[in-house]
Amino acid sequence: DIQMTQSPSTLSASVGDRVTITCRASQSISSWLAWYQQKPGKAPKLLIYKASSLESGVPSRFSGSGSGTEFTLTISSLQPDDFATYYCQHRWTFGQGTKVEIK
Amino acid sequence: EVQLVESGGVVVQPGGSLRLSCAASGFTFDDYTMHWVRQAPGKGLEWVSLISWDGGSTYYADSVKGRFTISRDNSKNSLYLQMNSLRTEDTALYYCAKDSRSGTTVTDSFDYWGQGTLVTVSS
Repeated sequence: DIQMTQSPSTLSASVGDRVTITCRASQSISSWLAWYQQKPGKAPKLLIYKASSLESGVPSRFSGSGSGTEFTLTISSLQPDDFATYYCQHRWTFGQGTKVEIK
Repeated sequence: EVQLVESGGVVVQPGGSLRLSCAASGFTFDDYTMHWVRQAPGKGLEWVSLISWDGGSTYYADSVKGRFTISRDNSKNSLYLQMNSLRTEDTALYYCAKDSRSGTTVTDSFDYWGQGTLVTVSS
């Protein structure tokens, strides 16, 4: 089974910061990777699919890149609404999550 | 507007059984593979099961294989999860999620999620 590993587990940042979260696959997954945002008490929300395609309605400050085994989710300028937990996903496997906290 | 509404979550004793339901609307239900994904309190997301658009294919996580059964009724736009031999480690919020691609079980992403139904397994 393919394992998905996110880093860091927790990230402290300020409004306006550029934030990068990494997801690594245990073997090549081409571009079959998605990213989700989850706020406390809410369902996950799809942000990025196929590694770099922005889901409709998602702000353009979110972007995804990578292929093969290494992927990144970048928030170009962190906004107050972006403090949340982010998950990567390949097929039926999720990463363990990255919590973005206020610094 | 796509809506997924789960129901059926309760407190149940270890070894007990439970059936979860998910009512879908706002899209052509019988075109899409559907999933159950769970989240234990304070933990990450864990995929549980999927069923193909026509009900002909089902897959399960190893942690629930042989205990859980996924099904659907396309005439009622509904998804189900029959949960038997429940364990304390099955305690979680169970989400119903729609696959983003039609006509395939090769999952790309989950584009719509319900709000979840809480299952607590405790004596």
